[in-house]
Amino acid sequence: AQKITQTQPGMFVQEKEAVTLDCTYDTSDPSYGLFWYKQPSSGEMIFLIYQGSYDQQNATEGRYSLNFQKARKSANLVISASQLGDSAMYFCAMREGGRSGGGADGLTFGKGTHLIIQP
Amino acid sequence: NAGVTQTPKFQVLKTGQSMTLQCAQDMNHEYMSWYRQDPGMGLRLIHYSVGAGITDQGEVPNGYNVSRSTTEDFPLRLLSAAPSQTSVYFCASSPWTGLNTEAFFGQGTRLTVV
Repeated sequence: AQKITQTQPGMFVQEKEAVTLDCTYDTSDPSYGLFWYKQPSSGEMIFLIYQGSYDQQNATEGRYSLNFQKARKSANLVISASQLGDSAMYFCAMREGGRSGGGADGLTFGKGTHLIIQP
Repeated sequence: NAGVTQTPKFQVLKTGQSMTLQCAQDMNHEYMSWYRQDPGMGLRLIHYSVGAGITDQGEVPNGYNVSRSTTEDFPLRLLSAAPSQTSVYFCASSPWTGLNTEAFFGQGTRLTVV
């Protein structure tokens, strides 16, 4: 079974609208962290936001917020007031506590969502 | 501050050739890792290192070797390139292993094996 599932291969959104990118995850480890990365057409990976499994509040970073629903194992990214520069691939990723308990086993990525913002 | 630097940015290899993808970071990070990105697959972990002299396998290690002789450098070696290794390769580093540690990525190396 996939550990990270992003069900939206592509999305078209009008500029200035809010966007929700879906991410569900699968783990039996009680300790884990969830990340969102942005990959523009230039190819670099840009960190956006982080949510820990024990965090009580949803993470926010500027226009980005993470809608964390632990019981449903979902960690959706919300982008408020979308801009043309938000057009990119977006990846959800998870780091589990793993064998060492410290997340040394690296990040597991979803397949990504290609977001296109239309003027 | 250069961050994570990967060289080369592009490379074409013939089947059976060997090569080394270079990765260097100047942030004194202990943790370094290599990922490959294939169309429709997201990024997958190849190898990682929690410090100089320590390496371990990730999800897709076959056909690749790594070593970590210094904190700064983490080269990835392809011993005998195969067309299935055509991919974009990313090196990443983090200051420590921990659930909340952000991974800093290099710009990527686009490798084509013909």
